[in-house]
Amino acid sequence: QQQVKQSPQSLIVQKGGISIINCAYENTAFDYFPWYQQFPGKGPALLIAIRPDVSEKKEGRFTISFNKSAKQFSLHIMDSQPGDSATYFCAASRDIYGGATNKLIFGTGTLLAVQP
Amino acid sequence: ETGVTQSPTHLIKTRGQQVTLRCSSQSGHNTVSWYQQALGQGPQFIFQYYREEENGRGNFPPRFSGLQFPNYSSELNVNALELDDSALYLCASSLGSALNTEAFFGQGTRLTVV
Repeated sequence: QQQVKQSPQSLIVQKGGISIINCAYENTAFDYFPWYQQFPGKGPALLIAIRPDVSEKKEGRFTISFNKSAKQFSLHIMDSQPGDSATYFCAASRDIYGGATNKLIFGTGTLLAVQP
Repeated sequence: ETGVTQSPTHLIKTRGQQVTLRCSSQSGHNTVSWYQQALGQGPQFIFQYYREEENGRGNFPPRFSGLQFPNYSSELNVNALELDDSALYLCASSLGSALNTEAFFGQGTRLTVV
């Protein structure tokens, strides 16, 4: 129940195309769903996050779509650029009232390559 | 830059040895979480410290231990190192509150056990 399943494992997209990465979770208590971007040799950097009270969140070229009933969420990268080439991780966590935060359960990652 | 700094950046240890990794959290953050990221995998939660006390632990053996100091910096200690402990160790800081807040990661410490 603690798993977050991510697909695809790798993705090749042409410059200007749309990159789509999907994640599924089982624990309905999860209420925070961030996406992280990681470049080689670096720590993960928060890209965008969503809570289950909304079905979509957009920040620039990045959009999260969230389907609560299906327990799925996805990252869409519009107008993909070579600089977007990185590993992307979805994650989920459950808020615990009172100060404990952010035990993140990560997916296995998607290696995105955007070809010029 | 996230303001979360980890040291050292790289480390090579021999099986059976002990290691201490350090993390300075972002200014104003009182919560530090440690993660282990094996090659090609997502980070796995080790444990979290909130206001100097352990506040949740993942599926890691007791030889993984930690500490948080009054300035909210933190240490991860691993005893009796095993080859499988080779990984990138990540520290994340956040502001503990009633709602989930963003976790900011450091660049990690690459530990190699030989």
